[in-house]
Amino acid sequence: GIQVEQSPPDLILQEGANSTLRCNFSDSVNNLQWFHQNPWGQLINLFYIPSGTKQNGRLSATTVATERYSLLYISSSQTTDSGVYFCAVPIGAGGTSYGKLTFGQGTILTVHP
Amino acid sequence: AAGVIQSPRHLIKEKRETATLKCYPIPRHDTVYWYQQGPGQDPQFLISFYEKMQSDKGSIPDRFSAQQFSDYHSELNMSSLELGDSALYFCASSFSGGSYEQYFGPGTRLTVT
Repeated sequence: GIQVEQSPPDLILQEGANSTLRCNFSDSVNNLQWFHQNPWGQLINLFYIPSGTKQNGRLSATTVATERYSLLYISSSQTTDSGVYFCAVPIGAGGTSYGKLTFGQGTILTVHP
Repeated sequence: AAGVIQSPRHLIKEKRETATLKCYPIPRHDTVYWYQQGPGQDPQFLISFYEKMQSDKGSIPDRFSAQQFSDYHSELNMSSLELGDSALYFCASSFSGGSYEQYFGPGTRLTVT
């Protein structure tokens, strides 16, 4: 099945700093999602981004499907950004848009005041 | 906007007991997924339903069963609970006529003592 790898595994920032999280996947995809899991365990949808670039406030994401990676940018980080960031893609055959998701191992982000 | 509803949010059971987790998908969503997340792990797919029929199955123990009802809500039934079943259980829903983006509920935290 498709492999999803995220880097870095851990990231510690001071409030106000910028960061880039990376997600590599081993097969072509037509669906990629980024999630933020907050300290209470809730999985928050950040982006649905099979290709291209999207922005939402201080967060933006870019997926280069042909090179099999996606990047999540966090600018002017705040303590509330702390938590685990996951990327996830469908497990099915290359190019599947739907179905069960396989998650990367996540990036644990800690933002200090 | 309406989100995925899960109940209960927290559940404490003893070994060998039975638990039932409920999920109410976003209105008009026709596909429901169940995921299990152990401590420090990424979410793992258990089972999914499309239009009230089981559509896919992951590494779900035989002690677990699930179904989707006529109103599209779903229930995950877990019997003969073991200590290792302690985890966060997520339900997600998506709409097959759209982007297939999965939206996650707040999760049910199950503790088996």
